Amino acid sequence: GAVVSQHPSWVICKSGTSVKIECRSLDFQATTMFWYRQFPKQSLMLMATSNEGSKATYEQGVEKDKFLINHASLTLSTLTVTSAHPEDSSFYICSAREDREVSPLHFGNGTRLTVT
Amino acid sequence: AQSVTQLGSHVSVSEGALVLLRCNYSSSVPPYLFWYVQYPNQGLQLLLKYTTGATLVKGINGFEAEFKKSETSFHLTKPSAHMSDAAEYFCAVSEGGGYQKVTFGIGTKLQVIP
Repeated sequence: GAVVSQHPSWVICKSGTSVKIECRSLDFQATTMFWYRQFPKQSLMLMATSNEGSKATYEQGVEKDKFLINHASLTLSTLTVTSAHPEDSSFYICSAREDREVSPLHFGNGTRLTVT
Repeated sequence: AQSVTQLGSHVSVSEGALVLLRCNYSSSVPPYLFWYVQYPNQGLQLLLKYTTGATLVKGINGFEAEFKKSETSFHLTKPSAHMSDAAEYFCAVSEGGGYQKVTFGIGTKLQVIP
């Protein structure tokens, strides 16, 4: 089955530093990937849609300069949290859709970010 | 705009009992509907999906769901709960296929009591 690998699974960083999270589709091509944020005991909030070779589409209220997304190839998207603050601490999950009609989302295992 | 409502943020069932997790949706076009399961500190795993055709869909781990257009519902059921079913379950809707956005419900945490 389609596998999405997300790395790292957890990261602790100091306030003011930047953190990069990678999302790879291992056995399929994904023109489109999605980045979600999940707060404790809440649903997934779509942050942005990552499009290979073009700019990401951000949801309303998501700071594009803070959450930098790069989708440089058909199998890799990265999310960089710049100048992280404690309020950025959260569970970030990426997902990818196979490049075919009617493909469900395949999810990575998430990244637990803690900013101290 | 599309939306999903999951009734009951927490559901407890005894091991061996019927599992019923409720999901209602709204969509301006024929929807695609999904159920995902999430175990602690992990991503989401697809349980089953409805796109077109047969309204009763079967998924993994013995789960199934029925699309009822008249009730705008897509409830998830399993005849007999197992301890390993304890997890968080998310209902999701997508307005059509392709690369349309998927909207998730708030999730239902299923507890299975031995």
